[in-house]
Amino acid sequence: ETGVTQTPRHLVMGMTNKKSLKCEQHLGHNAMYWYKQSAKKPLELMFVYSLEERVENNSVPSRFSPECPNSSHLFLHLHTLQPEDSALYLCASSQPGDTNNEQFFGPGTRLTVL
Amino acid sequence: GQSLEQPSEVTAVEGAIVQINCTYQTSGFYGLSWYQQHDGGAPTFLSYNALDGLEETGRFSSFLSRSDSYGYLLLQELQMKDSASYFCAVLYNFNKFYFGSGTKLNVKP
Repeated sequence: ETGVTQTPRHLVMGMTNKKSLKCEQHLGHNAMYWYKQSAKKPLELMFVYSLEERVENNSVPSRFSPECPNSSHLFLHLHTLQPEDSALYLCASSQPGDTNNEQFFGPGTRLTVL
Repeated sequence: GQSLEQPSEVTAVEGAIVQINCTYQTSGFYGLSWYQQHDGGAPTFLSYNALDGLEETGRFSSFLSRSDSYGYLLLQELQMKDSASYFCAVLYNFNKFYFGSGTKLNVKP
């Protein structure tokens, strides 16, 4: 596989469930990101990992917990979510310092919290 | 903090030229990017401007004026497949982007 992949593509969960989103990049990049995209709102940067260290936590509630075990994998662990957390969760990767600072996005996980 | 402003929606006809503006306020600035996102798809990279001036890539061009905190994306010879949302994004730290709300472009026959 090439590029950035995300699983699952769709997820429906109750407020008491625990689930995890997975992201994998096959581009050899050093930085990985989680974004939240809600209807009619900008992409919100949630977390940034650079060389497997978290370098940004953008005031995200603790019910979202990221994990980056290595430079190719990124997880977002979810627990006791709220209905307003329903959104498209996008993972991206980049190689900081590259000429264009291009971010490569995965297809996203469409999350619905009931 | 960071803020970005871009129009929410623009409509144009096939073959026309359209310009999508983006103004920004940011505590740090490395460059301005543009991304395209079709409904149901992931954002894809279009351009990046770190210096003032115009960058051209095929039918798409992007402009930056750092002194005016302003940029735009110019789309020429519009095609139906250009109907999508277009996001400007500021690189405000070494590896951190702030995205605008997006401009929905409707291309009509």
